[in-house]
Amino acid sequence: NAGVTQTPKFQVLKTGQSMTLQCAQDMNHEYMSWYRQDPGMGLRLIHYSVGAGITDQGEVPNGYNVSRSTTEDFPLRLLSAAPSQTSVYFCASRPSWAQETQYFGPGTRLLVL
Amino acid sequence: ILNVEQSPQSLHVQEGDSTNFTCSFPSSNFYALHWYRWETAKSPEALFVMTLNGDEKKKGRISATLNTKEGYSYLYIKGSQPEDSATYLCAFGSGNTGKLIFGQGTTLQVKP
Repeated sequence: NAGVTQTPKFQVLKTGQSMTLQCAQDMNHEYMSWYRQDPGMGLRLIHYSVGAGITDQGEVPNGYNVSRSTTEDFPLRLLSAAPSQTSVYFCASRPSWAQETQYFGPGTRLLVL
Repeated sequence: ILNVEQSPQSLHVQEGDSTNFTCSFPSSNFYALHWYRWETAKSPEALFVMTLNGDEKKKGRISATLNTKEGYSYLYIKGSQPEDSATYLCAFGSGNTGKLIFGQGTTLQVKP
């Protein structure tokens, strides 16, 4: 099992550009989440999904869209990048919405100029 | 807004010292409390998931306790080693949405 994979590892964007951060898991997990990590702020939940076709907002959803067309994939889209979106983004998955062990991907470091 | 607080923010100890940190969370609508270990340049790694009041979990030299009625959990490390140096995160799971709200973490540095 590859576990949770994220691409790219690092990306530089200009203000106003759009891009998609990819996340995939091969553990047949229903529950997937996106977090951003900023210095002094810990991990903050952006969006989450309890299964294919179902997504919902977390603590900081503005400026981001998600979709979940398959169990395996949970892409995060930045519609119009802003410098405030410079961060490290982590995708995570776990078997279900119930509180079980959650597995994190390696992260994507994003710099918006 | 759910508030999860961890203390202290950072800790420096000598090899062999035992140490503990605190995670405070809302006592209402509790579902679970997670602990993660996060090494620099890596991704967070799950240590424990605790769901019942009075739960105690142990993994090697690391253990955790849970008090859901008063809204706190302690993480203990016995005989700290340099390889224990990391940031320790707790996360509060509420209700039936499955959402996890993370604290800011306690960064531990163990000096040889």
